[in-house]
Amino acid sequence: SQTIHQWPATLVQPVGSPLSLECTVEGTSNPNLYWYRQAAGRGLQLLFYSVGIGQISSEVPQNLSASRPQDRQFILSSKKLLLSDSGFYLCASSSGRAMPNEQFFGPGTRLTVL
Amino acid sequence: SQQGEEDPQALSIQEGENATMNCSYKTSINNLQWYRQNSGRGLVHLILIRSNEREKHSGRLRVTLDTSKKSSSLLITASRAADTASYFCAAYSGAGSYQLTFGKGTKLSVIP
Repeated sequence: SQTIHQWPATLVQPVGSPLSLECTVEGTSNPNLYWYRQAAGRGLQLLFYSVGIGQISSEVPQNLSASRPQDRQFILSSKKLLLSDSGFYLCASSSGRAMPNEQFFGPGTRLTVL
Repeated sequence: SQQGEEDPQALSIQEGENATMNCSYKTSINNLQWYRQNSGRGLVHLILIRSNEREKHSGRLRVTLDTSKKSSSLLITASRAADTASYFCAAYSGAGSYQLTFGKGTKLSVIP
């Protein structure tokens, strides 16, 4: 199975500061990669997904961007954080191009913007 | 748009009882999945049921799928305190989709 690493686990940032969250994947090659955000007590909102290096699809227009510089590395960024960017960010991975199956999730990053 | 909607939103039971959670979805699916999330943690995949399957078992978990009603249920038998978590159903929206859409989840509390 796949192992997803995310860091940091928690982050407190001031409004207007930049953001960089990193996710790396072990145990598979050529995965599909995903960034989700989860508001308190809510389901997951898909932010970005990537089917290959340099290929990013955005689901929700927002203050965030994503990049995939390597096959098993996915980065979530912002140039200037907003209060509304606070939340729990989860990276996930799946394999299976023809029919993606289960997703494997990282431990998440709790971001608080003050 | 939201693919899965879980019901109930919250469920509290005694240890040893069975817990049933339901999920409804809107569009055609290739498969439907259930995930568990412990508080403040990432999601863990529990079970996947394909659109041509009606029932699937894994340990104390039993999942059913009714594609005519666009609904699924997750049954946890002989619940334990360690089953306390939020449970989400999720599905990919149509052929060729890479987007797994999650419901809002059912928060299960198992009281020892």
